[in-house]
Amino acid sequence: NAGVTQTPKFRVLKTGQSMTLLCAQDMNHEYMYWYRQDPGMGLRLIHYSVGEGTTAKGEVPDGYNVSRLKKQNFLLGLESAAPSQTSVYFCASSFSYEQYFGPGTRLTVT
Amino acid sequence: GDSVTQMEGPVTLSEEAFLTINCTYTATGYPSLFWYVQYPGEGLQLLLKATKADDKGSNKGFEATYRKETTSFHLEKGSVQVSDSAVYFCALRDSGGYQKVTFGTGTKLQVIP
Repeated sequence: NAGVTQTPKFRVLKTGQSMTLLCAQDMNHEYMYWYRQDPGMGLRLIHYSVGEGTTAKGEVPDGYNVSRLKKQNFLLGLESAAPSQTSVYFCASSFSYEQYFGPGTRLTVT
Repeated sequence: GDSVTQMEGPVTLSEEAFLTINCTYTATGYPSLFWYVQYPGEGLQLLLKATKADDKGSNKGFEATYRKETTSFHLEKGSVQVSDSAVYFCALRDSGGYQKVTFGTGTKLQVIP
């Protein structure tokens, strides 16, 4: 039982490049979330999903897209990376009150 | 909208000292309240929770009481250890449908021997 896993752990992008972050959970949770964590800002919700095939915008969705084609996977895409997207990205999943977090992806955009 | 305000850090304490990290919230309805902990290089993990007024959440020697009258959920521990060094996040989940959680900005705790 791996819980929530994230791929990759680290990535460096140049401005304008694209990439996809993968989140996978093996707990059969309906709800999945993408957050970004920046110093002094706490965690801010980017997008979330309440079930397979559904997605919705969170607090800071601009510049990101998501897809939930399979229940266990939640993908976060950056179509044209910008330095402002340098951050640590966390995926989480939940069934009831507790959210289970992945280990994070540290992304640097130069 | 919902919001969570917690004391700024970092907080530096000696081992065996008493810890309080203040947290207050603004929400409509009847939110559930949480403390999450993040150890260096890891994701957040749930430390304790309280789902209604006057509930006390506790785990690993940490406690917090849901105070509706003061809209607060302060985290306390009687005797901290070096291993408690981490970042602590206060959070609330609104009483609506999809389990959206609002996090505070986090308080870094450093415990020195």
